Amino acid sequence: AQSVSQHNHHVILSEAASLELGCNYSYGGTVNLFWYVQYPGQHLQLLLKYFSGDPLVKGIKGFEAEFIKSKFSFNLRKPSVQWSDTAEYFCAVNARGGATNKLIFGTGTLLAVQP
Amino acid sequence: ETGVTQSPTHLIKTRGQQVTLRCSSQSGHNTVSWYQQALGQGPQFIFQYYREEENGRGNFPPRFSGLQFPNYSSELNVNALELDDSALYLCASSLTRQGEGEQYFGPGTRLTVT
Repeated sequence: AQSVSQHNHHVILSEAASLELGCNYSYGGTVNLFWYVQYPGQHLQLLLKYFSGDPLVKGIKGFEAEFIKSKFSFNLRKPSVQWSDTAEYFCAVNARGGATNKLIFGTGTLLAVQP
Repeated sequence: ETGVTQSPTHLIKTRGQQVTLRCSSQSGHNTVSWYQQALGQGPQFIFQYYREEENGRGNFPPRFSGLQFPNYSSELNVNALELDDSALYLCASSLTRQGEGEQYFGPGTRLTVT
């Protein structure tokens, strides 16, 4: 079955700490990978995406993620978090070249950054 | 550029009733997808519409149905509401129906079924 696992449900960090959120997927084919973020009271928005090429992708606000095909992983990282990074983060996948852009999401990680 | 909008923001219905949720796509987007996000879960794909035709469906029963109009706006209809239908319903639009199309999400409609 197709699925996405996010290992951390709640993460609490102090400002300037480094962040790594885990994401593993199970999918019978070639995938596109995404990280979405939902800031308090705002829409779900795209943080970064991987379709092909360099497995290290950079997104907005200093976030990056690395696709490791052998581990079916797409972990999100940021060297130094800020209070404004407090949000819920979702990892998602879909089928590359698929007939639809159906996204399969993980259950999300709630990040709280303490000032 | 106008983003994705959804109405209403909140809705309370009784079990057994029917509900219609509405979505206006981002300008120029011909594909709309609907997702259900239960509390503490990630969004789950309900279905996608492309140029007024259903173009993919998730694991939801037939009482979940939809429409897409010529202006690419969309409706999600749910019949015979059940308590488990209580969730945030998200609409997302994109320029393409395929996997590489970035999806832009609306703010959602919070449905409570009592």
